[in-house]
Formats: sequence, C-alpha cells, structure tokens
Amino acid sequence: GQQLNQSPQSMFIQEGEDVSMNCTSSSIFNTWLWYKQDPGEGPVLLIALYKAGELTSNGRLTAQFGITRKDSFLNISASIPSDVGIYFCAGTNTNAGKSTFGDGTTLTVKP
Amino acid sequence: DAGVTQSPTHLIKTRGQQVTLRCSPKSGHDTVSWYQQALGQGPQFIFQYYEEEERQRGNFPDRFSGHQFPNYSSELNVNALLLGDSALYLCASSFSWAGVDTQYFGPGTRLTVL
Repeated sequence: GQQLNQSPQSMFIQEGEDVSMNCTSSSIFNTWLWYKQDPGEGPVLLIALYKAGELTSNGRLTAQFGITRKDSFLNISASIPSDVGIYFCAGTNTNAGKSTFGDGTTLTVKP
Repeated sequence: DAGVTQSPTHLIKTRGQQVTLRCSPKSGHDTVSWYQQALGQGPQFIFQYYEEEERQRGNFPDRFSGHQFPNYSSELNVNALLLGDSALYLCASSFSWAGVDTQYFGPGTRLTVL
C-alpha cells in the first residue's frame, strides 16, 4: 500500500529558529496536507496543496507540493513556543477522505 | 458551533470483548471518516461513511465495522478485541461535496485493551 516517509522524526530547536521538515512517498498524490496535533487533541489542518509545484503560505508556515507529486515540505519561520507539537503530512487522491499519513515530526522549541 | 465530538474519551476493555465508539460530526457535515492512531504513529484510515453507507475502506479486518445514522452521527464497532487494537481512534467529518480541506478531526477516543 501507499507509504509516506516523514523526516526528521524529531527536532529540538531554539525559539526564533526556522524549521524544515519533509515527506516523501512511493506513490503519487493529487493533494498534500500538513496537520499539527497537540496532546489530547485530533490533528488540525495547517495547509492543503492541490497542484504540483504549488507553494502556499499560512502565516509563518510555508508548504510546497513537489513537482513529481511524490513529496512535500513544510517550513516554519521564526519558531515560537506554541509551535511545539507533532506535525503530520498526509496525501490523498480522493475528496474528503482516505488520507494516508506519515508518522509525524515531533517539534520541541526551547525558549 | 460545536466541532466534532467523540465519546467516550477513554475506554478500557479486555481481549475478546467488543467496543462501540461514537462520533457526532461538525454541524452541516454529512461524511464521517474513522482513523486508528497507534502510539507514535500517524493516523491510519479505517473507513468512511456517507449517506449511511460505507463508501471507502482501508486495510482493516472485518472485526471493524461501522454505522452512520440519519443525523450523520456515526459509530465504530470493534469485535473480538486484540491487544494490538489499543490506540487513539479519531473521527473526522467533512462535506461530501467539498475538498479534503473541509475535514475536521475530533479529539479521539483512547482505547486500551488489556
């Protein structure tokens, strides 16, 4: 089946630093998604990407849909303590369902 | 406007038992998807319900079944529980006619199988 490889598995950074994480797949996806999950909560959608090559920003977050449609990356600029959490990439080829998730990148931000 | 709600929050069962988890979708949403999230892993798609029927299914055995009611709420049933079924079970709702960016997740039900 489809698998997503997300890296790095964890990151420890200083407040104010920029962060970059990425996701690669053995299969093509039509849509890439990036989520953040806090303890005790479900994932919250940060950015959705619909076209190969698309670069989309949401505040300090920027994500890109790879040209091959098999990869995506997420950048966070000027990290702050509330950025702490687990970030998941997900790919899907259908509307509103059946997303394949990576295993997450755990981000720790030191003040 | 309440988001996606799930009950119960936590549940402890023993091997071989059966469990039912419940989900109320966000107001206006008509599609419900269920995911299993094992510790340290990303969510895995179990199945999706629309118009009271299972529309898509992931790679899960028949012990996992579901139901959607006319008010769009949904149940996930797991029979003959195994230790490996211990996980966070997430429900997500969305509009059937819109893109996946309308999908909202609930807080999940933490199931522990002893």
